[in-house]
Amino acid sequence: EDQVTQSPEALRLQEGESSSLNCSYTVSGLRGLFWYRQDPGKGPEFLFTLYSAGEEKEKERLKATLTKKESFLHITAPKPEDSATYLCAVVDTGKLIFGQGTTLQVKP
Amino acid sequence: AAGVIQSPRHLIKEKRETATLKCYPIPRHDTVYWYQQGPGQDPQFLISFYEKMQSDKGSIPDRFSAQQFSDYHSELNMSSLELGDSALYFCASSLNEETPAFFGQGTRLTVV
Repeated sequence: EDQVTQSPEALRLQEGESSSLNCSYTVSGLRGLFWYRQDPGKGPEFLFTLYSAGEEKEKERLKATLTKKESFLHITAPKPEDSATYLCAVVDTGKLIFGQGTTLQVKP
Repeated sequence: AAGVIQSPRHLIKEKRETATLKCYPIPRHDTVYWYQQGPGQDPQFLISFYEKMQSDKGSIPDRFSAQQFSDYHSELNMSSLELGDSALYFCASSLNEETPAFFGQGTRLTVV
């Protein structure tokens, strides 16, 4: 069965302290991996799509990378407004399978 | 840009009552997903539709049913509500299942 595991569950950073979030997956043939940002009480907001190993996508302070077994979301010099839960999801037939998420808190 | 519209945003029901949640996907998106999210949990897949036909079904109770209409909007019907059904319910749509799914703002259902 396809599985998605994210680590760490929670991450506290000081403003400007770069770090990475991990998303490990086991799927029989990756058809797409998505990263989302979710603020409390709101719907997940789409960030990136990755389809093949070696692919990288970048947006402002965020950069997503993909290998055959995992994806990383790198956050460079984060700001307090980057505080949110970051979810990754893989495409399965008829649905997205989500990881448990990483809750990021960036302190000023 | 048009986004996924969900209504109502908030809903309070008593136990054993019925609720209907509505979802209007992004125009030209023919795939709709429904997810349930409890506090501190990741979204749990309920059901999906492709071109108005059910595509896949997750851990959706028999008390719940859903359909997609000719105009592509979807409704999630929930009967005999239980306290444990209190959660955020999200609808998402995509062009196809290999393109990003865009989520609505959700319906917060509270069962009292």
